[in-house]
Amino acid sequence: ETGVTQSPTHLIKTRGQQVTLRCSSQSGHNTVSWYQQALGQGPQFIFQYYREEENGRGNFPPRFSGLQFPNYSSELNVNALELDDSALYLCASSTQGRVTGELFFGEGSRLTVL
Amino acid sequence: AQSVTQLGSHVSVSEGALVLLRCNYSSSVPPYLFWYVQYPNQGLQLLLKYTSAATLVKGINGFEAEFKKSETSFHLTKPSAHMSDAAEYFCAVSGTGSARQLTFGSGTQLTVLP
Repeated sequence: ETGVTQSPTHLIKTRGQQVTLRCSSQSGHNTVSWYQQALGQGPQFIFQYYREEENGRGNFPPRFSGLQFPNYSSELNVNALELDDSALYLCASSTQGRVTGELFFGEGSRLTVL
Repeated sequence: AQSVTQLGSHVSVSEGALVLLRCNYSSSVPPYLFWYVQYPNQGLQLLLKYTSAATLVKGINGFEAEFKKSETSFHLTKPSAHMSDAAEYFCAVSGTGSARQLTFGSGTQLTVLP
């Protein structure tokens, strides 16, 4: 059973640029959630994808967008990068309908915006 | 809306001593509660979860947590700390929407002294 994998692990961008982060969900999981973890803080929910559609969104602007593919993998896109977007971006997979909401996390993509 | 508060951003214990990490929650409905651990430069790993089956929950690596509704608490304990327990610990509560997103506390950094 493969776990959640994310790429790239580290990247550096400049203000105003765009970035795409990728995530492969754990085998058997059909739902992907994205979280932003700023330095010294807990993760914050960005959005969730199920059946290739957004299934819930946190308090993030529209320049944060995503996709889910038929194989349940997902992308997080961030346009017009700002300095405050520097963070660890965590992808988590789960099974929709599982009432407990338990998530399985990848190791994250660390984004630095200069 | 659900929320969690972790008391103490930093906790230090001696090796072999009791570990106690505090978490209080706020929820309008019976909550599902989680403790996750994060080692440096890694994602989050589930330690244990409360899903209303039993108030005392046992997790991995010798950790356990007790759900106390009257105190709205879900504190994490381990009888004897090991050096390998040094990490950041996050308490989280599951949401009630379709996404059932997790709301995390701000984390507690545990240091284990030799």
